[in-house]
Amino acid sequence: NAGVTQTPKFQVLKTGQSMTLQCAQDMNHEYMSWYRQDPGMGLRLIHYSVGAGITDQGEVPNGYNVSRSTTEDFPLRLLSAAPSQTSVYFCASSLAGRDGNEQFFGPGTRLTVL
Amino acid sequence: AQSVTQPDIHITVSEGASLELRCNYSYGATPYLFWYVQSPGQGLQLLLKYFSGDTLVQGIKGFEAEFKRSQSSFNLRKPSVHWSDAAEYFCAVGASGTYKYIFGTGTRLKVLA
Repeated sequence: NAGVTQTPKFQVLKTGQSMTLQCAQDMNHEYMSWYRQDPGMGLRLIHYSVGAGITDQGEVPNGYNVSRSTTEDFPLRLLSAAPSQTSVYFCASSLAGRDGNEQFFGPGTRLTVL
Repeated sequence: AQSVTQPDIHITVSEGASLELRCNYSYGATPYLFWYVQSPGQGLQLLLKYFSGDTLVQGIKGFEAEFKRSQSSFNLRKPSVHWSDAAEYFCAVGASGTYKYIFGTGTRLKVLA
């Protein structure tokens, strides 16, 4: 049981490049989410999903796309990277169907956009 | 709208001293409240959570937190801090029915030997 895994751990992009941050979980969790963490701002929700084929926007969705074709995977796509997207990105998952379940976090991806 | 405030950005305590990290929330109904810890370069780990019932909740690593509805607070406490507790601590509130979590800005704890 690997929990929540994220790849890559580190990434450097040039402005305008695109990339996909991968997230996978093996706990059969319905709910998955992406956060970004910036100094002094805590974690802010980018997008979330309550099941395969269902996604919704969080607090800071602009510049990011997501899809959820399987229960296990929830990739985050940056179509045209900008320096403002330099951040640490965390993926999390939890059981759905009951409010307030614990979220399990991946180890994070540190992204730098030059 | 839900919000979480952690008024202390940095806290420094001596090893063996007691600790209290403050968390205030704004929410229209009974909230679901969490404390997470993040060690340097790591993801977040759940310390404890409050859904309902007993307002004093026990967590891992000797931490506890008390839910005070009248003060809209959920402060984290530990009677004796260890050097390994140095980390960043996040308070979060769960929004009922939406599966969204709102995090505070975090409190960075430094422990002096």
